[in-house]
Amino acid sequence: EPEVTQTPSHQVTQMGQEVILRCVPISNHLYFYWYRQILGQKVEFLVSFYNNEISEKSEIFDDQFSVERPDGSNFTLKIRSTKLEDSAMYFCASSESRDRGHYGYTFGSGTRLTVV
Amino acid sequence: GQQVMQIPQYQHVQEGEDFTTYCNSSTTLSNIQWYKQRPGGHPVFLIQLVKSGEVKKQKRLTFQFGEAKKNSSLHITATQTTDVGTYFCAAPRSNFGNEKLTFGTGTRLTIIP
Repeated sequence: EPEVTQTPSHQVTQMGQEVILRCVPISNHLYFYWYRQILGQKVEFLVSFYNNEISEKSEIFDDQFSVERPDGSNFTLKIRSTKLEDSAMYFCASSESRDRGHYGYTFGSGTRLTVV
Repeated sequence: GQQVMQIPQYQHVQEGEDFTTYCNSSTTLSNIQWYKQRPGGHPVFLIQLVKSGEVKKQKRLTFQFGEAKKNSSLHITATQTTDVGTYFCAAPRSNFGNEKLTFGTGTRLTIIP
């Protein structure tokens, strides 16, 4: 079964440092997302991406965050200057095209970001 | 903004007992999805309900969508240890999906063997 692949599985970074979280969505999916989950809490939407641009972003997704699809397969989330409160599990997800209806999102296994 | 609440927050059951989690929205939903997240894992899509009053079954799991499309439930019959995890409902804004999902607060199910 197709998978969404995320790397690294765990990232530890110093406060103020930049991090890039990487994702390879399912190849025929056109819609890509980043969500985050602080330990023990619910899954929160960060940003959605379609046709090489952001289609929607949440209040969490401020100027410190950016997304990119640099080469047609990878989908990256960059946090420019990490804060302690950015510590969370970050999930990438993708979904099928609009024309095929909606079959749910496929989530990657996540990157646990720890800011120290 | 759209809010999706789930109750209970935690549920501990003896293996073999039934389990139900309820999802309530502050607004009418176009559809509702259910996800399961195993401990240390990622959300895995279970099902989507679209029609008012819809009921769908997956083996021991029964999913219902309320008549008013503002609430939903997931019922597990005769729980097994493999059912352990957190169950989330999630709502997109339209039937086309491909928009942000608002996740519910989740119900964490633990099984006492």
